[in-house]
Amino acid sequence: GDSVTQMEGPVTLSEEAFLTINCTYTATGYPSLFWYVQYPGEGLQLLLKATKADDKGSNKGFEATYRKETTSFHLEKGSVQVSDSAVYFCALISSSNTGKLIFGQGTTLQVKP
Amino acid sequence: DAGVIQSPRHEVTEMGQEVTLRCKPISGHDYLFWYRQTMMRGLELLIYFNNNVPIDDSGMPEDRFSAKMPNASFSTLKIQPSEPRDSAVYFCASTGPPLNTEAFFGQGTRLTVV
Repeated sequence: GDSVTQMEGPVTLSEEAFLTINCTYTATGYPSLFWYVQYPGEGLQLLLKATKADDKGSNKGFEATYRKETTSFHLEKGSVQVSDSAVYFCALISSSNTGKLIFGQGTTLQVKP
Repeated sequence: DAGVIQSPRHEVTEMGQEVTLRCKPISGHDYLFWYRQTMMRGLELLIYFNNNVPIDDSGMPEDRFSAKMPNASFSTLKIQPSEPRDSAVYFCASTGPPLNTEAFFGQGTRLTVV
């Protein structure tokens, strides 16, 4: 079945460091891909998305490019801030139109001043 | 719209008791998801509905868990009887149409079974 695999955390960075969180997926067809973020004590919220191959999603300085050839959707940010500390989830919706929204296990990011 | 509304926010119950979690999705959304989040297992999809019909309940851990969606504006997740290992944060989310749009999550219900 469809699945999402993320790099294990926690990831600890200093402020202004470069961030990469790896995400790979297994799916039939052409899923839509998402990154969600969860701040402490809150539900998940959409960070960015890409719906077809080679699309780049971007928001708040974060970017991710849909790479069909490597089945990847890695999250990047050039300069992280303390306020970026959160749990990041990669997710997909199957293109077979079943509507199943599947998440990776989440990666905790801690940014230190 | 006030977003996805879950109740209660916190629930503490004794082992063996029945627990009912509630969710009101965003008006107009036709998909509703129930997830469970724990440190050990991360975010697990329990069940999801489309147009009030359960589509996939393969993530429901045991027969003790059941979910209903009697209408487009309300869903429940019931655990009977509850056990300590059910302790987790339970999230409800809604989305669509179209299918690849953003899913909106509620604030979650933190369940503690003692």
